[in-house]
Amino acid sequence: AQSVTQLDSQVPVFEEAPVELRCNYSSSVSVYLFWYVQYPNQGLQLLLKYLSGSTLVKGINGFEAEFNKSQTSFHLRKPSVHISDTAEYFCAVSDQGSNYQLIWGAGTKLIIKP
Amino acid sequence: ETGVTQTPRHLVMGMTNKKSLKCEQHLGHNAMYWYKQSAKKPLELMFVYNFKEQTENNSVPSRFSPECPNSSHLFLHLHTLQPEDSALYLCASSQPSTGTNEQYFGPGTRLTVT
Repeated sequence: AQSVTQLDSQVPVFEEAPVELRCNYSSSVSVYLFWYVQYPNQGLQLLLKYLSGSTLVKGINGFEAEFNKSQTSFHLRKPSVHISDTAEYFCAVSDQGSNYQLIWGAGTKLIIKP
Repeated sequence: ETGVTQTPRHLVMGMTNKKSLKCEQHLGHNAMYWYKQSAKKPLELMFVYNFKEQTENNSVPSRFSPECPNSSHLFLHLHTLQPEDSALYLCASSQPSTGTNEQYFGPGTRLTVT
């Protein structure tokens, strides 16, 4: 069965430092890949997505992610984080042809230290 | 503005009460979802509707009863809930014709069962 692994449940990082949030998935077929962000007491917001084409995808708020098919990874990066990036980040995967569902990672809490 | 609204935003109910959660999407999508998000647990898919027809019911207890009168509205009727049902309930929508399962979320209803 398809699965998504976010290895880090929490990532503490100093303000203005770079960050990488890791996401690995298992799938034997072509996939679509998503990162969502959830700010405190809010719903999930789409941060960026990979559907096809360039493996480097840019999203909102200065985030980007790189699709690596050989390593089945889709890591999220930001070169310099801000206190406002404090949130929980979810990676999700959809098989091409799957039935309406996204497979979700457990989430990574990004904690920005002043 | 995500295009998906949920009411109420907060709900406190006793175990013998009956209440309903409402979700409305203004995106012209044809699929709608209910998720449960509990503290320290992965996002749980509860129900999926496509063109008003239920396509998924992930072994959800019968005290949760969904209703989808049209592609824009989704309800979750609640009765005789248990304290462990306290959680954030998220509604989402997607457009199946894109084939990507990209989902758009509402802000959620924070439910507390006393």
